[in-house]
Amino acid sequence: GQNIDQPTEMTATEGAIVQINCTYQTSGFNGLFWYQQHAGEAPTFLSYNVLDGLEEKGRFSSFLSRSKGYSYLLLKELQMKDSASYLCAVSDHNTDKLIFGTGTRLQVFP
Amino acid sequence: EAQVTQNPRYLITVTGKKLTVTCSQNMNHEYMSWYRQDPGLGLRQIYYSMNVEVTDKGDVPEGYKVSRKEKRNFPLILESPSPNQTSLYFCASSLSRGQRVHEQYFGPGTRLTVT
Repeated sequence: GQNIDQPTEMTATEGAIVQINCTYQTSGFNGLFWYQQHAGEAPTFLSYNVLDGLEEKGRFSSFLSRSKGYSYLLLKELQMKDSASYLCAVSDHNTDKLIFGTGTRLQVFP
Repeated sequence: EAQVTQNPRYLITVTGKKLTVTCSQNMNHEYMSWYRQDPGLGLRQIYYSMNVEVTDKGDVPEGYKVSRKEKRNFPLILESPSPNQTSLYFCASSLSRGQRVHEQYFGPGTRLTVT
C-alpha cells in the first residue's frame, strides 16, 4: 500500500529556518513533489526530487533519501507570506497516481 | 496566460440534482485529474485521464463521472449529488506521465455544498 506522513502543524518565527519532514511508503516510487497551498487557494508546485540528495531553489530546498523513504522541505529566511500548508506528494509508477499527504500547516509569527 | 480554469467556483445545490463542474486547460497537457480536498484527509484523487478518450478511477470515484472528449476539457459530473460530496474540488493537468513525472498545475478550486 501507500502511506505518507507529515506533521499536522508547525510554527516558526520570521527570518528563521524551518524543516518540514515527510516519510512515505510506496511500492513503485517515481518521484516526490512538494506543493504550497495558501488557505482557500490552489496548490502550487515547489519542488521535485527523484534522485537522492538536495535540490535548492532560492529560499526553498528539498531533500530525498529513497532508501529511508524520507524527504524534507527546508525553508530559509522565513517571511510572513510563507504561512501556508505544505503538501508532500509521491508518484507511484505502478498505479500511475500522485498520492498526497494531508499537509503541514506552517504559521510564521513576527 | 497558461492556466487551468474551473467553473463554477462556488455552488450550493440540493441532494439529487445533477450537476457538472467544468475544467479546461490551455497548456496542451495530456494528463488531467480531479481531486477533492477535505479537512484532515488531504487531496484525494477522484478520476484521471492520460489522454483523450482515456479515463481511469482514482481512489474515491464513487458518485462521480468524467469524460475526456477533447484534450483541453475534463468535466466532472455528479449524477445524483449527496451531502457527503460537499467538498473543495480541484482539477489539475500536467504533461504526459510516461517515464518522467511532471508537476501538476491546479485550477482555482470549486467549493461545492450539497444540502
